[in-house]
Amino acid sequence: DAGITQSPRHKVTETGTPVTLRCHQTENHRYMYWYRQDPGHGLRLIHYSYGVKDTDKGEVSDGYSVSRSKTEDFLLTLESATSSQTSVYFCAISDRSYEQYFGPGTRLTVT
Amino acid sequence: AQTVTQSQPEMSVQEAETVTLSCTYDTSESDYYLFWYKQPPSRQMILVIRQEAYKQQNATENRFSVNFQKAAKSFSLKISDSQLGDAAMYFCARANAGGTSYGKLTFGQGTILTVHP
Repeated sequence: DAGITQSPRHKVTETGTPVTLRCHQTENHRYMYWYRQDPGHGLRLIHYSYGVKDTDKGEVSDGYSVSRSKTEDFLLTLESATSSQTSVYFCAISDRSYEQYFGPGTRLTVT
Repeated sequence: AQTVTQSQPEMSVQEAETVTLSCTYDTSESDYYLFWYKQPPSRQMILVIRQEAYKQQNATENRFSVNFQKAAKSFSLKISDSQLGDAAMYFCARANAGGTSYGKLTFGQGTILTVHP
């Protein structure tokens, strides 16, 4: 299995609070992605990174920001969490093969 | 929007039988990749099989094979000799190749597969 971890694995937070999810890889892959999974929608891309400090928006980026200061870490931040951001969040990594390897996911509940 | 559609929310199969999961997609690109991912109750996303659009030969991985019809934009997954461990949610996904796409995946809505003993 690809060396990719996510933290925390579960989090419950209140509306309006900031939340940061961390993705850490040991594979030295260039590309990293954040997806959210909701019933009836499959996985949808939030943000992605194509190198250190190189990031761009996905299809559902509103309310989220990301940072990548080193190859192994990709952070997803919810500046002010809302109930609509309750979801399961997946990080993924890839090299040039276009195969993506996924982390175990983080279940976030915003009350 | 370039979409991926899985028209079967749920499918079921008897153990040892064969089942086919359907997927269609929309793209204006000529070069792309297609994937099937499996998500068991553990929630882990597992890559099952991949197909490069420029290859006419259908991909095969043990009991899993695909029927790739490029003109029809169809990419179905066939599971032969189904096993209880195949029970999971299955996602079809597409990634454009090259340019600035950076391999971003577009997923279908998923198909829940139940395997009956």
